[in-house]
Order: sequence, then structure tokens, then C-alpha cells
Amino acid sequence: NAGVTQTPKFQVLKTGQSMTLQCAQDMNHEYMSWYRQDPGMGLRLIHYSVGAGITDQGEVPNGYNVSRSTTEDFPLRLLSAAPSQTSVYFCASSSALDSPEAFFGQGTRLTVV
Amino acid sequence: EDKVVQSPLSLVVHEGDTVTLNCSYEVTNFRSLLWYKQEKKAPTFLFMLTSSGIEKKSGRLSSILDKKELFSILNITATQTGDSAVYLCAVGRRGSTLGRLYFGRGTQLTVWP
Repeated sequence: NAGVTQTPKFQVLKTGQSMTLQCAQDMNHEYMSWYRQDPGMGLRLIHYSVGAGITDQGEVPNGYNVSRSTTEDFPLRLLSAAPSQTSVYFCASSSALDSPEAFFGQGTRLTVV
Repeated sequence: EDKVVQSPLSLVVHEGDTVTLNCSYEVTNFRSLLWYKQEKKAPTFLFMLTSSGIEKKSGRLSSILDKKELFSILNITATQTGDSAVYLCAVGRRGSTLGRLYFGRGTQLTVWP
């Protein structure tokens, strides 16, 4: 009964480093997405995917890449970390055809120094 | 441009008070409106509303949607300190972006004992 699993929970990066945030879901959901949450800003969509092999940009995609090679996994890559990417990141999945209710991972708190 | 606006952005009340949180939206091809509660970690789902005038209720929480005036309210009666959280409103659309949710900035509710 894992739901949406996100790793790591915490990460500190130096400016310019790269890393991948992992997200996996075991509910066979078609739709997966990545959000970032900054104080007072709510959830802002970075990238999303409507199925394996299909991804698209959200509101704030710059500096991030995604891929969806399987239904289960949707990793988020930071190519060259910047202090502006310090944030809390959430992965979410939903069965868009049945209900738009999104199930969220527990979040990754990323600090870029 | 699609947008979801929540008000107030923050609210401080005492235990036992009743609060009303507001969410207005301008989203094309509206499908549903969702409310989430976020306490330090990942958002957890509260309600999904698709039809006007039908109240959804869960314990002390209730919500209703007005599709003509494009808004929803979330009521919490007899508030408790455990209700302290950020309450997020999100709207889902039909069509090609099925599954994508548009979030408001949230309302930070603080309940004092």
C-alpha cells in the first residue's frame, strides 16, 4: 500500500550540481506531475505527464527535465542547481480518467547553497 | 489565463470559532474543484465538487460549489487546534489537459486554544 513514493526527503546541493528526484507510484495512474512549493505561493506545476512517453511543461519548467519511460516512474532532474531552486518538491499522481483527485508523495526539501 | 484565487491568505481564530474559506476560479472547460488540507507535509484530499449547490460534508467540514458565480467555500465549524493547516483549492479541467490541477496559493489557518 505504498501509494506515491518520493526520494530523497532532504537534500542539500551546491550551486551547479545536478541531481535527480525520484518518484514512483504503484496505483497504475496515468497522470503524474511535479510541483514546487514556496512560502505563500501554493503549488506551482513544473512538469507533468499523461502517460508513458508523454510529458509536457507546467508553469515553471525552466531548469528542470523529466522523462516517463514507465507508467510507475517519473523522475525530475535538476541539470545545474541554482539557489532559486531551493524549495519543497512534491510528486503527485492521479487516475485522470476516473477522478482528478491527486495523491501526493511526502515531499523533498531541497536547499541549494 | 486560467487562475484560482483563495481568500483570505491567512486567518487566525480561537477554538470553537466557525471559519469560511473562499476559492474563486477562472478556468476554461471546468471539470471539478478540489479542497486539500496540508499540515507540514503532503496535501491530503478533503473534497471534490463537480455540481453546483450540492454540499459535501465530513464531520465539522463542509463545502459547496457555485458554478454560476465560479466559486466555492469551505466551512469549518467548532474549530480545533488540529485544524491549523494550509487549505488548498484546486481546479481540474476537461479536454486535453485532463488530469492537470490548477492550485490557488492556499489559506493558512491558525487556531489558537
